Amino acid sequence: GAVVSQHPSWVICKSGTSVKIECRSLDFQATTMFWYRQFPKQSLMLMATSNEGSKATYEQGVEKDKFLINHASLTLSTLTVTSAHPEDSSFYICSARDSVTRFDDEQFFGPGTRLTVL
Amino acid sequence: GEDVEQSLFLSVREGDSSVINCTYTDSSSTYLYWYKQEPGAGLQLLTYIFSNMDMKQDQRLTVLLNKKDKHLSLRIADTQTGDSAIYFCAEIRQAGTALIFGKGTTLSVSS
Repeated sequence: GAVVSQHPSWVICKSGTSVKIECRSLDFQATTMFWYRQFPKQSLMLMATSNEGSKATYEQGVEKDKFLINHASLTLSTLTVTSAHPEDSSFYICSARDSVTRFDDEQFFGPGTRLTVL
Repeated sequence: GEDVEQSLFLSVREGDSSVINCTYTDSSSTYLYWYKQEPGAGLQLLTYIFSNMDMKQDQRLTVLLNKKDKHLSLRIADTQTGDSAIYFCAEIRQAGTALIFGKGTTLSVSS
């Protein structure tokens, strides 16, 4: 149980295009999901907190108009990188809390999406 | 500076014990975690410890927490080549919020 998937697992796109990344909780409901990015050989940096049915909360320095987050259901959050540029190339990881049946704070991570912008 | 700090590299021989250290700054952290990341892969939760505990053992893994010094360690007994990976410590400061990660410690195990 408690599986989180991400799609796609990797994507290569041209500069200026938009890319959508999906994060799904497969066997639990998640009112809150988190989006992180990880540059090579660096730590995971929180980008935003995605709340089902409401606007995402972005961390300082993260452009909300560039990184659009939609959490339309209890099992799906999407991150759209708009007008992608090479500096957006990174490993994007989502995590989700099972906020319905679990009362601890364990978060379950997706396998990540590697974005390469040419 | 970093909120969660770790040494960047550790090299050990197969069969030895590995100890990875972490310091954090927020004394209100409720849970502290250790994650493992293999090359090109996502994060695997290894273990976690609640802030009112001093120690937790799970098979080859031992976590020690010193709240006074805000120091967390992960000991891996009988380290194997398959343990080679990056190990992240992370904290949660308030229930329901995101994890705050350290920069990760790259563990290299030689046979």
